[in-house]
Amino acid sequence: EIVLTQSPGTLSLSPGERATLSCRASQSVSSSHLAWYQQKPGQAPRLLIYGASSRATGIPDRFSGSGSGTDFTLTISRLDPEDFAVYYCQQYGSSPQAFGPGTKVDIK
Amino acid sequence: EVQLVQSGAEVKKPGESLKISCKGSGYSFTNYWIAWVRQMPGKGLEWMGIIYPGDSDTRYSPSFQGQVTISADKSISTAYLQWSSLKASDSAMYYCARHSSSYDINSAFAYWGQGTLATVSS
Repeated sequence: EIVLTQSPGTLSLSPGERATLSCRASQSVSSSHLAWYQQKPGQAPRLLIYGASSRATGIPDRFSGSGSGTDFTLTISRLDPEDFAVYYCQQYGSSPQAFGPGTKVDIK
Repeated sequence: EVQLVQSGAEVKKPGESLKISCKGSGYSFTNYWIAWVRQMPGKGLEWMGIIYPGDSDTRYSPSFQGQVTISADKSISTAYLQWSSLKASDSAMYYCARHSSSYDINSAFAYWGQGTLATVSS
């Protein structure tokens, strides 16, 4: 069973700054089956990135994903006020699939 | 337009049973895996299990195996999550989510339901 850890737990930044979020897996994630989701209060999660680096439909290009094996990164190049939210990584390459504990990006 | 519409909020007592639903529309319901995800108050997302409505192939997280039952009725394009005997610790928001690629168990969740809040309290 693959366990995901995310760091930092909370990231305090200002609009316009760059955000770098990390997701580490306890075992290699097969075929880069790693996704990132954004969740705002009172809303369902939204898919941002799949296959470690492919943006989902309609996702702005300020969001980018990278990594392979056990180490993955979500980068938001310039934070927009609407980007302050919780971000989860998920591995979907092996069963049981799993989510990381999340990183909260809040306004500094 | 792909939509997943979940049943409404539920308030139950410990020991009662519950079945919540997720109706898919705008796509071929039988061809995509559907997952159930738990979110306890103020906490993160937990993968509970998945079902392929085409043949009802079902997989569970070890954490939820034996605690819940996932099923689907393809004739009405609806997936279900049910409990036979609820506990207070089952109080949570439950989301259904559809995989992004047809037939592929290894794909991300491109579409989500709005969530069903289950409250279990005596």
